[in-house]
This record gives sequence, C-alpha cells and structure tokens, in this order.
Amino acid sequence: AQKITQTQPGMFVQEKEAVTLDCTYDTSDPSYGLFWYKQPSSGEMIFLIYQGSYDQQNATEGRYSLNFQKARKSANLVISASQLGDSAMYFCAMREGRVAGGTSYGKLTFGQGTILTVHP
Amino acid sequence: KAGVTQTPRYLIKTRGQQVTLSCSPISGHRSVSWYQQTPGQGLQFLFEYFSETQRNKGNFPGRFSGRQFSNSRSEMNVSTLELGDSALYLCASSLGGDTHDEQFFGPGTRLTVL
Repeated sequence: AQKITQTQPGMFVQEKEAVTLDCTYDTSDPSYGLFWYKQPSSGEMIFLIYQGSYDQQNATEGRYSLNFQKARKSANLVISASQLGDSAMYFCAMREGRVAGGTSYGKLTFGQGTILTVHP
Repeated sequence: KAGVTQTPRYLIKTRGQQVTLSCSPISGHRSVSWYQQTPGQGLQFLFEYFSETQRNKGNFPGRFSGRQFSNSRSEMNVSTLELGDSALYLCASSLGGDTHDEQFFGPGTRLTVL
C-alpha cells in the first residue's frame, strides 16, 4: 500500500487565489512527521512546512498552512494568495518513528507529487 | 547560515564506470540522507548517516555505498554504473535525523549514464 498518496497530478490556480494540494498517508505508528516540499524546475527541494503527529494545532508558515486531519490521515497544503513563483512540483512526505521494529532515521517517504501551475 | 551544498552539480559517465558524489550539510547538522529521484520511481531513500555511522538504508543494490566524515560531510559512491542509475541525486541534512527533525535538501547532482 502507498504510504503517501497525492491524487492530483496537476493543479491550476489563478494568481492571488488560494489553492489546496491534497495528501493522504498511511501509517500505524503513533509518532510521525509530515512535511511538504516545493521543487522548482531547477531541481532543488525547498522545505515549506512541517506537522508533527502530536501537534494539536495546524502548522502555518507565511502563506503556507497545513490542514491536518489526523482521523482521516490527511495533511493537505493550503497556499494562500498564489504567486507566479509558486509554479512548481509539490511533494508531501512522511517520516515514521519506528518501522517494523527497525528505525526510520532520516528516511522520508514521498508521494508522487503535484505539479502546480499559477496563471497570471 | 550556508545551506546544503552538493558537488558536482552535473556528471556524465558511461556504463561500467564508478562515480563519487559529495555533500556538505548545514553547519551543526549531523544527519545526512541521500535520495535518488527518477521520473519513473520518484524520490527514493538511499541511506542515512549520523556521526560517521550508517543508521538506515533503503532498498538499493550494494553498488550504492556511502560514508560520512568527522566533519559530517558525506560522500556517495556508485560502482559499475548502469543506464538506470541516471537520476537526480539529492542530499539532505538535519540535526539528528529523528522523526520530527526538518530535513533540508541540497541542489542535487544530476547524473547521466551513457
């Protein structure tokens, strides 16, 4: 089973509008972290926002917020007031605390990504 | 504070050769992880190093190896290159590599195998 699912291969949004990028995850570990990254065409992965499994409040970082619904195992990224520079690939990723008795040090499991295009 | 740096940025090799990629983490970060990104397989975890020790490893053949030095800099080596090794190789650093540590990526090394 996919651990991270991003069901939107591509999304389009008008400049200055808000957009939500979907992410669902699958884990039986009570301790995990959820991350969103942006990857422009240059290839570099840019860290956007983090949500811990025990965090009571949704994470926010500037124009980025994370709609964390633990019972539904979803961690959607909301970008407010989209800008042309937001056009990029966006990845949702998870790190679990412990995997099958082993460890998951460092290991991020990524979804397939969503290509966001912002139109002027 | 300087970000994660990777060298070289681009490499072209032929099948059967070997290659070494280098990664310098953010100052103070002791965990370095490596990922392979391809259009077909997406982003896949290779391995993670902390204090010169490999703590975690993905499902890659033994041709892929790495090491970490006392200053936390890390190298990744791929021996006997195959066409399928063509990919963007990303290095990421974090304070400790633990569950809730944010991981910061370098610009990547784009490897082409001919």
